[in-house]
Amino acid sequence: GAGVSQSPSNKVTEKGKDVELRCDPISGHTALYWYRQSLGQGLEFLIYFQGNSAPDKSGLPSDRFSAERTGGSVSTLTIQRTQQEDSAVYLCASSSPDRGFSNQPQHFGDGTRLSIL
Amino acid sequence: KQEVTQIPAALSVPEGENLVLNCSFTDSAIYNLQWFRQDPGKGLTSLLLIQSSQREQTSGRLNASLDKSSGRSTLYIAASQPGDSATYLCAVFGANSKLTFGKGITLSVRP
Repeated sequence: GAGVSQSPSNKVTEKGKDVELRCDPISGHTALYWYRQSLGQGLEFLIYFQGNSAPDKSGLPSDRFSAERTGGSVSTLTIQRTQQEDSAVYLCASSSPDRGFSNQPQHFGDGTRLSIL
Repeated sequence: KQEVTQIPAALSVPEGENLVLNCSFTDSAIYNLQWFRQDPGKGLTSLLLIQSSQREQTSGRLNASLDKSSGRSTLYIAASQPGDSATYLCAVFGANSKLTFGKGITLSVRP
């Protein structure tokens, strides 16, 4: 595709339910990143994939959060037993670091706006 | 731990003014610095990327500079227009393979 695609664009769910967020990176981009943007908190890093492996999961807030990537392409971020503090915009980005990290920008999707009632 | 600061949090200027947005970061061990634009309800659009070995980058009316040793970057917007109204985010990409963001500057350009 032309850009990073995320779905759904909006998700409203009840506290305690599980949610799954999807990211389709730019074709050929080997690196994929998940970030969370909360009111007053700014953008925070969650997890990074290089291919299908996740060298850095340090940003995941709790063990209720998990992510996977298959085929070096689509990634899903799963939040189990959602809490109200999980309400935020979840952004996905991809880049092509094969040509070096220093000159490859990250391209962002429009995000999934998650609201926990 | 890398920290990125953008001050002020908001800025309002009349159309046509040249303006400078500031960004500072604490750890100079970075691969690059990126400036992004975010419109309400949208994702981030990459405006400029400056590699750690570079001093500045230009795109149209935008010019970004980087002084890695002092931990500072500026985004210069020439002849501002109402369509420039948005939130501008500065982010540094480090050896930890992730972007660390400032909280952004919300710019309003008055017609």
